[in-house]
Amino acid sequence: DADVTQTPRNRITKTGKRIMLECSQTKGHDRMYWYRQDPGLGLRLIYYSFDVKDINKGEISDGYSVSRQAQAKFSLSLESAIPNQTALYFCASAGTGTSSTDTQYFGPGTRLTVL
Amino acid sequence: DQQVKQNSPSLSVQEGRISILNCDYTNSMFDYFLWYKKYPAEGPTFLISISSIKDKNEDGRFTVFLNKSAKHLSLHIVPSQPGDSAVYFCAASEYGNKLVFGAGTILRVKS
Repeated sequence: DADVTQTPRNRITKTGKRIMLECSQTKGHDRMYWYRQDPGLGLRLIYYSFDVKDINKGEISDGYSVSRQAQAKFSLSLESAIPNQTALYFCASAGTGTSSTDTQYFGPGTRLTVL
Repeated sequence: DQQVKQNSPSLSVQEGRISILNCDYTNSMFDYFLWYKKYPAEGPTFLISISSIKDKNEDGRFTVFLNKSAKHLSLHIVPSQPGDSAVYFCAASEYGNKLVFGAGTILRVKS
């Protein structure tokens, strides 16, 4: 079974609709992240959370919100979707070890299309 | 302004030859660098990393080189195999905080 799962895998919605993307991880990691991938831009950080009570904005948080319901669950919401939010969305998790950073493990992605 | 740049959008290599993927960065505070590989319809998977206190790290066919003075790192794959065909992302972090990714390079290994 996958360590990081995302639902749904694909979603088509209309402008103005509220959308929630969900992420769960079974690795026992404290840190979780949401990214979006656009052609030619790589992965850009939307929000990240270092534990259940810690939520931080990333590079491109406008138009998005998140909820860390439990250590294993981190959901991303688009309150009122717009077409330029059409992208591939990835969730990731990472542990907290003694190294300067910890490898992030990614889910399979959600392809979101906003019409 | 992009802090991590992968200036080659794509690279094509013959099977058995060396693949060299390059990455430049601008933030001198980055202290950890990673390479991720991504196949279509899958999430990125960790490939190899290097700390700023080193200049080389090797793992099987994959070697990452870091040149801090030039703010440049490269990933060498020797020998290249058709299964290596994927998108490769370079990423960097500062004090274990958050990763900054490059735009990616599409590698095609021809058999």
